[in-house]
Amino acid sequence: AQTVTQSQPEMSVQEAETVTLSCTYDTSESDYYLFWYKQPPSRQMILVIRQEAYKQQNATENRFSVNFQKAAKSFSLKISDSQLGDAAMYFCAYRSAHAGNMLTFGGGTRLMVKP
Amino acid sequence: EPEVTQTPSHQVTQMGQEVILRCVPISNHLYFYWYRQILGQKVEFLVSFYNNEISEKSEIFDDQFSVERPDGSNFTLKIRSTKLEDSAMYFCASSGGSGSAQHFGDGTRLSIL
Repeated sequence: AQTVTQSQPEMSVQEAETVTLSCTYDTSESDYYLFWYKQPPSRQMILVIRQEAYKQQNATENRFSVNFQKAAKSFSLKISDSQLGDAAMYFCAYRSAHAGNMLTFGGGTRLMVKP
Repeated sequence: EPEVTQTPSHQVTQMGQEVILRCVPISNHLYFYWYRQILGQKVEFLVSFYNNEISEKSEIFDDQFSVERPDGSNFTLKIRSTKLEDSAMYFCASSGGSGSAQHFGDGTRLSIL
């Protein structure tokens, strides 16, 4: 079974600075998808970024980018120019490409942004 | 932007009672999911639903649970004979295709007394 680990329960960053959230996963599959979801307080989980394992190029969405290291099974999220609205729980998630649609989540990282 | 909506936002139920959690997925989506998050723990997959039947379920999703799409818009999770350990946040999600990203609702906080 796949597992996803987020080793940082909490992180803080100064507004306008850059922060990196860590995620590692364990799988025997070669084809899969990885996701970062953001959950603001009392709000729904919103997809931030998605990476297909077969793509070597790291995904980027505006201020959000990932560092995908397939051999190391690492999938970190970098947030540049942090804004107060970035404060939230961030979840890393894994999905197999061929064995069902279920998402396997990490435990989450609470990001605090200091003004 | 279309959203997944869940009702109620908070449900308080006596142990042993039945509860139905409701979800309205995004209208053109075909795949529907339920997840739960017990306080302080990871978000866990419960079940996925496609073409009016369960396509995948986890070990958690035993005979106590059932899902239904009673009409063209709602997707429900029924929990029978609720137990204290069923207290959790329940999230509904939907996706347009099997490989598409899943969009989540705000969740229903279920409290069993």
